[in-house]
Amino acid sequence: DQQVKQNSPSLSVQEGRISILNCDYTNSMFDYFLWYKKYPAEGPTFLISISSIKDKNEDGRFTVFLNKSAKHLSLHIVPSQPGDSAVYFCAASGTGGFKTIFGAGTRLFVKA
Amino acid sequence: EAGVAQSPRYKIIEKRQSVAFWCNPISGHATLYWYQQILGQGPKLLIQFQNNGVVDDSQLPKDRFSAERLKGVDSTLKIQPAKLEDSAVYLCASSQGQGNTGELFFGEGSRLTVL
Repeated sequence: DQQVKQNSPSLSVQEGRISILNCDYTNSMFDYFLWYKKYPAEGPTFLISISSIKDKNEDGRFTVFLNKSAKHLSLHIVPSQPGDSAVYFCAASGTGGFKTIFGAGTRLFVKA
Repeated sequence: EAGVAQSPRYKIIEKRQSVAFWCNPISGHATLYWYQQILGQGPKLLIQFQNNGVVDDSQLPKDRFSAERLKGVDSTLKIQPAKLEDSAVYLCASSQGQGNTGELFFGEGSRLTVL
């Protein structure tokens, strides 16, 4: 039962271009969404989040967009840098006591 | 501020043996989580503690996995006996609040290989 899906296992982009990572969820009770970044041999680190009362949240080069009607969110990284190469996990949780559910991750390669 | 500490970083055991992992969360964080991450998958919650009480252990295979959080601080996760499918990275995380809408702070993980 995959409640959070990241359908692209990997993505490759050129340095300086935009990276767009996508995530879909099935449970309409989720009302808080997060993106985590993971380098090899390290634990995931928090990147950016968005509440369901918003449709966009921006933090420097990172922007998360939420489309509640489509149950879809995306992470935009612009401009992409080689240091952004990592695995990105989408996660969803809720104020109703829902535990945080993670997607399978998307591996981003940013080529110099 | 010190991060979440986990040990050991790597462990190799044979099936049917036992193993224990230790976690020390960020000071003052009330909530502690153990996640299992199998290669190619996202982290899956095994157990969540609020102080030293269990909030959610619905996905913990209780016939072989056990976890405790003594005095609401450190925690240990034990597997006995281990199976081949237990090979994974075991991630400990902590968070400040009680709810599920705050960020989680993860340790570096403990990689288990079961032969």
